[in-house]
Amino acid sequence: QSALTQPASVSGSPGQSITISCTGTSSDVGGYNYVAWYQQHPGKAPKLMIYDVSKRPSGVSNRFSGSKSGNTASLTISGLQAEDEAEYYCTSYTISTNWVFGGGTMLTVL
Amino acid sequence: EVQLVQSGAEVKKPGESLKISCEGSGYSFTNYWVAWVRQMPGKGLEWMGFINPGDSDTRYCPSFRGQVTISVDRSISTAYLQWSSLKASDTAMYYCSSALAGTSYDMWGQGTMVTVSS
Repeated sequence: QSALTQPASVSGSPGQSITISCTGTSSDVGGYNYVAWYQQHPGKAPKLMIYDVSKRPSGVSNRFSGSKSGNTASLTISGLQAEDEAEYYCTSYTISTNWVFGGGTMLTVL
Repeated sequence: EVQLVQSGAEVKKPGESLKISCEGSGYSFTNYWVAWVRQMPGKGLEWMGFINPGDSDTRYCPSFRGQVTISVDRSISTAYLQWSSLKASDTAMYYCSSALAGTSYDMWGQGTMVTVSS
């Protein structure tokens, strides 16, 4: 099972909005509403930011939002803050292997 | 407190065996799937496999099938990841995660660093 495709890096200035894409196929992203996004700071465990495409776990800022169109899911972070600088991973359910990750996107806050 | 606590860092030689653990506490451990995730140095996250602690139903991702064994001991709310013969390429951080959210893995252990070197 190939990994989902994410851009290697994105950047934005404080206060701006950025969007990270996650492209899969009809066998994963396009076939199920089970897409999640994780934030990982260096040396830390991943933290769930979005699940079921667009739901936010309790405690996650409403600056984080998720969406999906066809085989591509997206994570949007509005009002960028320095603390948002981290690696972001998408993951999707897939019938063949249960779950598959994207390659990760490094977000730099300029 | 709801948490997953993993066993400590390991340094092993190629060919040795290893079993690392992940203990759940503060919730009904048997009700939620547990996953293991590998992160090689400087690389991304990879799902390795999943186990239902309630009935030990286990699913392996293709890259890891036959390479590792995932198991659980319900009596002590602990999941395990084990290798029978380690390779240098097994050097990585290993995380366990539990799907308390139901449809996503929302609770994570702190990670166990495994270093395999001669």
